[in-house]
Amino acid sequence: EAQVTQNPRYLITVTGKKLTVTCSQNMNHEYMSWYRQDPGLGLRQIYYSMNVEVTDKGDVPEGYKVSRKEKRNFPLILESPSPNQTSLYFCASSRQPQMNTEAFFGQGTRLTVV
Amino acid sequence: KQEVTQIPAALSVPEGENLVLNCSFTDSAIYNLQWFRQDPGKGLTSLLLIQSSQREQTSGRLNASLDKSSGRSTLYIAASQPGDSATYLCAPPTGNQFYFGTGTSLTVIP
Repeated sequence: EAQVTQNPRYLITVTGKKLTVTCSQNMNHEYMSWYRQDPGLGLRQIYYSMNVEVTDKGDVPEGYKVSRKEKRNFPLILESPSPNQTSLYFCASSRQPQMNTEAFFGQGTRLTVV
Repeated sequence: KQEVTQIPAALSVPEGENLVLNCSFTDSAIYNLQWFRQDPGKGLTSLLLIQSSQREQTSGRLNASLDKSSGRSTLYIAASQPGDSATYLCAPPTGNQFYFGTGTSLTVIP
C-alpha cells in the first residue's frame, strides 16, 4: 500500500529541547516536503527535497532543519523549539511537481511547545 | 510567489444539493492543479489532478475544471452527501513548490 508515515503523531515538548519528526515513504518518490498548518494561514511549505542530498527552503524555513540521506526518509529537525512552532505538521511525497502525478500526505504530527 | 485563494471559506448545505467550490491563483505558470480533501485531524487525500493542458477532470460525483489563463479552478460536487463533509483544498504546483489555499470547509446536513 502506498504510504507516507510520520512519527510521532502527537508530541508535547518544552522550549529549547531538540526534537526530530520522522517521515518515510514507500513509493520511491524523488520529491518530499514538509508543511505546517495553522488556523487561518493554511498549509505553508517549510522545506522540500528534489532528491537525495538536495534540499531547499520553502516559505517558512526559520527554526527548522532537514536532511535527505536516503530516498525514502526526510526527517524534520527542530534544534531549539519555541512556542510559535506549535502547529500541525505534514510530510508529503510525490514525483517531481512538473510530472503530473498526485502528492501523498502523511497523517500529520501535532506538536505543542510549552 | 504563488497566492491561492479559496471561496467560500465555509459552506453548509442540505444533503442532495449540487455544490461549487472556487479556487483562484495568481501565477498561471502551473504544471497542474490538484484538489485535496482533509478530514478533521487527518492528512490530505488527493481527489483530482488536472494537467495544465486539460480543461476538466471527473471522478465519480466530482468534476474539476481549470482555466489556467484566468487563474481559476472550480470543484463541482454533485448530489452532496453527509460523507462529503470535510475541508477541500486546491494546490497548483509552481516552480519547485506546492502552494495551498486555506480551504473551503464543507458541512452537508442530513
